[in-house]
Amino acid sequence: EAGVAQSPRYKIIEKRQSVAFWCNPISGHATLYWYQQILGQGPKLLIQFQNNGVVDDSQLPKDRFSAERLKGVDSTLKIQPAKLEDSAVYLCASSLEGNTEAFFGQGTRLTVV
Amino acid sequence: GDSVTQMEGPVTLSEEAFLTINCTYTATGYPSLFWYVQYPGEGLQLLLKATKADDKGSNKGFEATYRKETTSFHLEKGSVQVSDSAVYFCALRATGNQFYFGTGTSLTVIP
Repeated sequence: EAGVAQSPRYKIIEKRQSVAFWCNPISGHATLYWYQQILGQGPKLLIQFQNNGVVDDSQLPKDRFSAERLKGVDSTLKIQPAKLEDSAVYLCASSLEGNTEAFFGQGTRLTVV
Repeated sequence: GDSVTQMEGPVTLSEEAFLTINCTYTATGYPSLFWYVQYPGEGLQLLLKATKADDKGSNKGFEATYRKETTSFHLEKGSVQVSDSAVYFCALRATGNQFYFGTGTSLTVIP
């Protein structure tokens, strides 16, 4: 079974530039999550999709972050404009319904200089 | 809101020592509980899980028991190996299907 795919693996941008991350979840997983993991901290939920609808985006900085999940499959997360404090690993995860675990991709390491 | 608090690290142990990493949670309803592990340079992987009170999750010699009365899910292993060196995250799946993670505990096992 293929896992959660993310790209790119690494990205370096200057502050005030824009950046986009892509995620392809495990086939059949209706729920998709984007997390931000700052060095030395645990993953922090940014947004949760159920199919192509947003379930929870309470911690998404909506003035600069946006996300979409077209057709309930792939998802993109965008930052515009980026700030230095956005430097982190951005993790995508997907899960089935019920008491099952979330499966994580390898993440995208973003460095804002 | 729902949250997880886990023991701060880093933890350094000698090979074959006993490991305990404490985790407590706050949640409405009846969450499922998880331990994830992150090896150097790799992504988050599920280590074990428990879905209801008194359930014991186990994998690779690691165990954790879902204690509703103490709202805890402590991770234990009787004899650690160098290959267990990693960062360990306690997590819960809330009733809204969100996953909340602790801050992580870094474990280093020395030969």
